[in-house]
Amino acid sequence: AQSVTQLGSHVSVSEGALVLLRCNYSSSVPPYLFWYVQYPNQGLQLLLKYTSAATLVKGINGFEAEFKKSETSFHLTKPSAHMSDAAEYFCAVSGGNSGYSTLTFGKGTMLLVSP
Amino acid sequence: DVKVTQSSRYLVKRTGEKVFLECVQDMDHENMFWYRQDPGLGLRLIYFSYDVKMKEKGDIPEGYSVSREKKERFSLILESASTNQTSMYLCASSDPRGATDTQYFGPGTRLTVL
Repeated sequence: AQSVTQLGSHVSVSEGALVLLRCNYSSSVPPYLFWYVQYPNQGLQLLLKYTSAATLVKGINGFEAEFKKSETSFHLTKPSAHMSDAAEYFCAVSGGNSGYSTLTFGKGTMLLVSP
Repeated sequence: DVKVTQSSRYLVKRTGEKVFLECVQDMDHENMFWYRQDPGLGLRLIYFSYDVKMKEKGDIPEGYSVSREKKERFSLILESASTNQTSMYLCASSDPRGATDTQYFGPGTRLTVL
């Protein structure tokens, strides 16, 4: 069964600092991997996805993530945090318990950005 | 752009009421999903549907049912609402022909059961 672990329910950074949000997954099949962002009182918006092409994936708003099969990781990074990046971030892997078209989500990491 | 809409942003109901949450997508997607989101628990799949009139249980289907009479519309039904169903409910859709399982989400319905 697929599972996703996001290390740290809250991550705090200063504006301009590096953002690193960690995601480890387990999957019995080659996975598709996703990062979504949720701003307050909104739905989830796709940031980026890995679909077995390039292992370094670039997304919107300057975010990127690297797929490392040996480490079963898909960490999200941004070189320089902006106040507008404050939101909750979810990592997800395809092939949930209910089938291949479903996604299994991590519990989320709240990113706090201070001036 | 894919658009997924949900009938209400905020809803307040009483214990025992029957509650309908509606979701509509405009991209002709075959797959539709209902999740609930609770602090510290992330998103948990309630039900999903891969075609009209088809439904599959997710991880937490107890206390819920669904209906999909038209391709673009997927309804979540709480037959007798209880306080432990107070939550944020998110609808999503995806196109299986895209082969990447990307899901597109609506804005969510925050349901409070008193």
